[in-house]
Amino acid sequence: DGGITQSPKYLFRKEGQNVTLSCEQNLNHDAMYWYRQDPGQGLRLIYYSQIVNDFQKGDIAEGYSVSREKKESFPLTVTSAQKNPTAFYLCASSPTRGESQPQHFGDGTRLSIL
Amino acid sequence: GQNIDQPTEMTATEGAIVQINCTYQTSGFNGLFWYQQHAGEAPTFLSYNVLDGLEEKGRFSSFLSRSKGYSYLLLKELQMKDSASYLCAVSGFQKLVFGTGTRLLVSP
Repeated sequence: DGGITQSPKYLFRKEGQNVTLSCEQNLNHDAMYWYRQDPGQGLRLIYYSQIVNDFQKGDIAEGYSVSREKKESFPLTVTSAQKNPTAFYLCASSPTRGESQPQHFGDGTRLSIL
Repeated sequence: GQNIDQPTEMTATEGAIVQINCTYQTSGFNGLFWYQQHAGEAPTFLSYNVLDGLEEKGRFSSFLSRSKGYSYLLLKELQMKDSASYLCAVSGFQKLVFGTGTRLLVSP
């Protein structure tokens, strides 16, 4: 079955630690996205990538970094510079960069601070 | 800038009809998406409107008025499993901007 796989499902971060969230898709989609969801707030865009080896900052990129070395993979690193990392992180993909394409979401990673 | 408004919470009874409104003010607009999200799960795609009017898909319908910056999602014959958050998202400039979502509680 095609889909988007995020791992791990739950992740704990210590003070001063960088952690990396995995996102893999086998849908052959060109575009991939990372969102952060906090209680009572909508999804906010962290980073997005329209094509391999290229990515752009979203609305809340500070304290995060990404890479897009392969079409299938778009890992997100939450750095120690992100002072409030506790949130639900969602990865999504869409077939092309077209704005009429619905995004397909992974099951999310819930990150907490120890 | 982007501003998208939805009611925070709504309640309805099983078998009833409910309308969830979404108003938006955006600098770029190509279309409007509705997603359903059960607690702790991934959002799933429900509908996409790019032209004015009503799009019907089974028990769910979505309406768009571009001139008024307004959309609604209509859910008919409500079932308990429809208890979820419903997210309105505006598409423009190669990305989606999401509203805060409307939490719908369906009671017996």
